[in-house]
Amino acid sequence: QVQLQESGPGLVKPSQTLSLTCSVSGASINSGNYYWGWIRQPAGKGLEWIGRIYTSGSTNYNPSLESRVTMSLDTSKNHFSLELTSVTAADTAVYFCARVNSPRDFGDYSIPDWGQGTLVTVSS
Amino acid sequence: DLQMTQSPSSVSASVGDRITISCRARQGIGTWLAWYQQKPGQAPKLLIYAASTLHSGVPSRFSGSGSGTDFTLTISSLQPEDSATYYCQQANSLPTFGPGTKVEVK
Repeated sequence: QVQLQESGPGLVKPSQTLSLTCSVSGASINSGNYYWGWIRQPAGKGLEWIGRIYTSGSTNYNPSLESRVTMSLDTSKNHFSLELTSVTAADTAVYFCARVNSPRDFGDYSIPDWGQGTLVTVSS
Repeated sequence: DLQMTQSPSSVSASVGDRITISCRARQGIGTWLAWYQQKPGQAPKLLIYAASTLHSGVPSRFSGSGSGTDFTLTISSLQPEDSATYYCQQANSLPTFGPGTKVEVK
């Protein structure tokens, strides 16, 4: 059973870069059956898809965040990462990492496996 | 981006009731639609993918239907543990989530 665990600073200053890592156990991020992604949720609000990365390193980002987002993989550590630059208070949210289905195998990009989420607050 | 709408925004029903939640896409998405359940303080859980395929381990009282722009999540016999917020997600190349439907079990 795959498990995902987010880690990173819980507090980031405005204009700085938010950096999170998702450690994966029970599965290899090299698996071609899945993508690896990030989703966030401001307190009391809905879910916002941030982006996903494939084992090849190819990425797809939310157009509204694309200019500030970078995702990467570290296969040697079996983890993947998120960087979000120039953060503001609007980026305060719980950030979830996730394993994303491949449409080739599952018919869509649905998300069967999620980390527990980590709260990141942007404040000076 | 492709906006998703859900109705109702909230519903209150009794144990054993059948409830339906609707999700609409602004343009056709085939069957690229997933449904999630989220309880407070927890990550969402996948219920349905590809519009009508039940995710492994999900009780059979949950079902999904639809294609194109209109989709439905049905809970055939509501249970106390079904109290949660339910989100649809258009699960194609650039996913977006619906605003959620809060379900209260009386």
